[in-house]
Amino acid sequence: DAGITQSPRHKVTETGTPVTLRCHQTENHRYMYWYRQDPGHGLRLIHYSYGVKDTDKGEVSDGYSVSRSKTEDFLLTLESATSSQTSVYFCAISESPSSGEKLFFGSGTQLSVL
Amino acid sequence: GENVEQHPSTLSVQEGDSAVIKCTYSDSASNYFPWYKQELGKGPQLIIDIRSNVGEKKDQRIAVTLNKTAKHFSLHITETQPEDSAVYFCAAIGSGSARQLTFGSGTQLTVLP
Repeated sequence: DAGITQSPRHKVTETGTPVTLRCHQTENHRYMYWYRQDPGHGLRLIHYSYGVKDTDKGEVSDGYSVSRSKTEDFLLTLESATSSQTSVYFCAISESPSSGEKLFFGSGTQLSVL
Repeated sequence: GENVEQHPSTLSVQEGDSAVIKCTYSDSASNYFPWYKQELGKGPQLIIDIRSNVGEKKDQRIAVTLNKTAKHFSLHITETQPEDSAVYFCAAIGSGSARQLTFGSGTQLTVLP
């Protein structure tokens, strides 16, 4: 997906280990988001950012932290991974001046916590 | 907060027929309603969106209708083609100060040749 890159694309880890997922954009957009996708739940917002060092919690933020030290990078960290955090994680960016509108999603990270 | 329900969860249609996916929302102050298409192995892609001051919007074979009184909105795809096969998600932005999207649970659309 042009303009937004997620890494890694796949990750297998063990319960209790820390994990960091990276989202990188080349569009210089203000808003960045982390969602998780699980069967039957659609996409649920974990955290979002509205600028460098400006972040806020979403619907399912427990067990996750984020950081945004540069406009182009938004990191999602699982401090101590649990099996319930096995999911597909999507990063999204938005050029809209209004939060939540016209999101452009990355290709996702498949995370398995064993 | 906002709650979005989407039906049906699966839908199969013959190529050339129309497909309709329906969503209801709970927050009467919601004012933005996008639809996303997700192909296998990819991230969701915005295909159309509508604001609460508009009742209908069309883009080629795709249209979205909004009924604010009943708090529901629908996606209509006409003259379906095999490449329309995907998972479709509706979403709504609630009235909270954060203005974040709440997604429906998705509809797997299969267009049969």
